[in-house]
Amino acid sequence: QKEVEQNSGPLSVPEGAIASLNCTYSDRGSQSFFWYRQYSGKSPELIMSIYSNGDKEDGRFTAQLNKASQYVSLLIRDSQPSDSATYLCAVRPGYSTLTFGKGTMLLVSP
Amino acid sequence: SAVISQKPSRDICQRGTSLTIQCQVDSQVTMMFWYRQQPGQSLTLIATANQGSEATYESGFVIDKFPISRPNLTFSTLTVSNMSPEDSSIYLCSVARQGDEQYFGPGTRLTVT
Repeated sequence: QKEVEQNSGPLSVPEGAIASLNCTYSDRGSQSFFWYRQYSGKSPELIMSIYSNGDKEDGRFTAQLNKASQYVSLLIRDSQPSDSATYLCAVRPGYSTLTFGKGTMLLVSP
Repeated sequence: SAVISQKPSRDICQRGTSLTIQCQVDSQVTMMFWYRQQPGQSLTLIATANQGSEATYESGFVIDKFPISRPNLTFSTLTVSNMSPEDSSIYLCSVARQGDEQYFGPGTRLTVT
């Protein structure tokens, strides 16, 4: 059974801090990894994709992938109140469809 | 990315009726998917909408309950049939081109009374 695990949170960080969101997955054959941001009442928005071990940076966001540990994370630097949302980790094993985690709620306080 | 629209954005329906949700994309896409997101829950894939052939349904979802059409590469419909209050949910269309990345439409919020 393919599983994607995330801490449901909420993860509370002060404005300007680094928020660290974590995700583990069970299928070693997974090839593609994604982070989505979902504001309350809105649909998920793709913010990062990562396919290779290591770090991938895009503005204030850094995705980190460690396939040996079956672990993917998202770092948000200089967190802003507008970053408050639920962050969904999604994993694709091979050519299969995406499996989503339940999401981590992030709260950034001013 | 892609510009995706869904109709209706929300609806309140009576038990036992059916609702058809439309998904329109601004350009041709390879893959179209339908998801359900129940309150406080993550996304559950209902089916992959295949152009020119029957949709591929995930475990727990059947064609009689959720018939899907995909007449071309930019449009798909999902029908929720014989609705019950348990079908109250947000229904999301998602698309992907040749690459892996999937993008979501704005969703349809369905309430069944």
